Amino acid sequence: GAGVSQSPSNKVTEKGKDVELRCDPISGHTALYWYRQRLGQGLEFLIYFQGNSAPDKSGLPSDRFSAERTGESVSTLTIQRTQQEDSAVYLCASSLAQGPYNEQFFGPGTRLTVL
Amino acid sequence: QQPVQSPQAVILREGEDAVINCSSSKALYSVHWYRQKHGEAPVFLMILLKGGEQKGHEKISASFNEKKQQSSLYLTASQLSYSGTYFCGTWEDQGAQKLVFGQGTRLTINP
Repeated sequence: GAGVSQSPSNKVTEKGKDVELRCDPISGHTALYWYRQRLGQGLEFLIYFQGNSAPDKSGLPSDRFSAERTGESVSTLTIQRTQQEDSAVYLCASSLAQGPYNEQFFGPGTRLTVL
Repeated sequence: QQPVQSPQAVILREGEDAVINCSSSKALYSVHWYRQKHGEAPVFLMILLKGGEQKGHEKISASFNEKKQQSSLYLTASQLSYSGTYFCGTWEDQGAQKLVFGQGTRLTINP
């Protein structure tokens, strides 16, 4: 079946502009996660959704970052007034349910470059 | 708290063995392992749970020492396809809400 998809695959924007990144999880997966990966670095947790709710927003780096999920499906990560330090690959993952027993399936990521 | 992986990088010849370690300063409920090839998404390898349960690929071998708060991934008779960056992710307790990933171990397999 279809895996996790993300769009766009690449996004180049100017400092100060807003961007929206989209994630389509595997159908039926109730948990959805967003991560940021800077060049050569590990995976930095941003936010997760159980259904359409985001119980833990502690990983969002600043109030410029927000995310939502609708229909227990597609999720959008929005970065307002982008800064150069926001440049990174943004990865989305989904799992059948939230919890330590469930593997996460990752999308191909969106590479964001802020000029 | 982010787990610490060691080594940071390792270079092997095809057929050699490698061990990648993941240590945490906190008690752990489970450890996840993923591999990421350059420019690709991370791919699930294995979950190790407190109490000894494991879930993952048959050809992957790993251990989880709950008392030492450590996990190790064993790659034997390495193949070229094993190259990539390996990440461990730790789940601190059953009620925790996220994986915390280590910085990764870059594995290069040469012919």
